[in-house]
Amino acid sequence: DGGITQSPKYLFRKEGQNVTLSCEQNLNHDAMYWYRQDPGQGLRLIYYSQIVNDFQKGDIAEGYSVSREKKESFPLTVTSAQKNPTAFYLCASSPSRDLSDTQYFGPGTRLTVL
Amino acid sequence: QQQVKQSPQSLIVQKGGISIINCAYENTAFDYFPWYQQFPGKGPALLIAIRPDVSEKKEGRFTISFNKSAKQFSLHIMDSQPGDSATYFCAAPAGGNEKLTFGTGTRLTIIP
Repeated sequence: DGGITQSPKYLFRKEGQNVTLSCEQNLNHDAMYWYRQDPGQGLRLIYYSQIVNDFQKGDIAEGYSVSREKKESFPLTVTSAQKNPTAFYLCASSPSRDLSDTQYFGPGTRLTVL
Repeated sequence: QQQVKQSPQSLIVQKGGISIINCAYENTAFDYFPWYQQFPGKGPALLIAIRPDVSEKKEGRFTISFNKSAKQFSLHIMDSQPGDSATYFCAAPAGGNEKLTFGTGTRLTIIP
């Protein structure tokens, strides 16, 4: 069963704690992306990676960190420096860095910081 | 930074009617404009995309119309059905063609 998996679906954390969101793909895609979705604000890019061991900041990278040690995995850490972390987080992947390649999204993780 | 302005924010259409969602972008050096469809609690999925060597692309009931001089593109859903009720996002290339900038989304509701 191929695709992109994100876990967990729902995540609760106390304020001031770091939390890591998982994103795994078995599509053999080179490029992976993390987006944040808030009501009325669409999808905003946090980080992206076009190849293993390399990644770039997106539009709202402050308070987040990523790693890309394996082609199939692109975990996102939400740090205590992120001022408003409660949101729906979406991971996506595409076959290559070519923007005309379709981005395939995972089911998302809803993070709530209490 | 590329901005994509999407309208309307929400739209209610009767079953069988035409749904129209509009997007405007600022600048892009790479012509590729996708539309994504998202159902509640799910990730978005590509619906249709256009590379504007043509001004219009049609796939079934879904059509993208593109106006390069006005920097605008729109999604038309013909014969709208209740199953089309979802949130729709347009997107445009940004940042040296390394990433997409998404619009703020349109929540479409099809009523009987």
